[in-house]
Amino acid sequence: EAGVTQFPSHSVIEKGQTVTLRCDPISGHDNLYWYRRVMGKEIKFLLHFVKESKQDESGMPNNRFLAERTGGTYSTLKVQPAELEDSGVYFCASSQVSRNTIYFGEGSWLTVV
Amino acid sequence: QKEVEQNSGPLSVPEGAIASLNCTYSDRGSQSFFWYRQYSGKSPELIMSIYSNGDKEDGRFTAQLNKASQYVSLLIRDSQPSDSATYLCALLRRALTFGSGTRLQVQP
Repeated sequence: EAGVTQFPSHSVIEKGQTVTLRCDPISGHDNLYWYRRVMGKEIKFLLHFVKESKQDESGMPNNRFLAERTGGTYSTLKVQPAELEDSGVYFCASSQVSRNTIYFGEGSWLTVV
Repeated sequence: QKEVEQNSGPLSVPEGAIASLNCTYSDRGSQSFFWYRQYSGKSPELIMSIYSNGDKEDGRFTAQLNKASQYVSLLIRDSQPSDSATYLCALLRRALTFGSGTRLQVQP
């Protein structure tokens, strides 16, 4: 069974550009989460989808970040326009409904220069 | 005060020893706790979950929870060099809240 997959694994963009990160959760997992780890800090929650609905987006840092999960399958996280402080690792995770076991992808490393 | 506190380490132990990793949390209402292991550049991997006071054992790993003291720990017996990684303590409310992780180094 495939795990949580993320694309791209690494991205280097200039300040002001746009980047879109993609996450494919484990098949059948209705819960999908985005997390972020910036340099020297702990992994922080960004938002949570249940199927295609945003359940909790309290961790989104500002309106430059837009997450979608059309059709309740894969999800995208767009950063527009990117700022230097957006650099970090963006993790996607998924789980089955009512299950506490959350599986993480390997992350998308974003560097904004 | 951080919600989940961990010593960043590194914690260095010799091969075959017991590694003890500790974590404290601030929210008394927290009920679900997890230990994730993360190798450099890889995804966090769940190794233990614990929900009740006391000990929970799984192979070489033992998780300990003390809700009165708001303290969670992970013991790794017979530590191996392959256990060298960052260990993340997390609690679950609406989503996982992580500590900053403790880097463990097991010396051959």
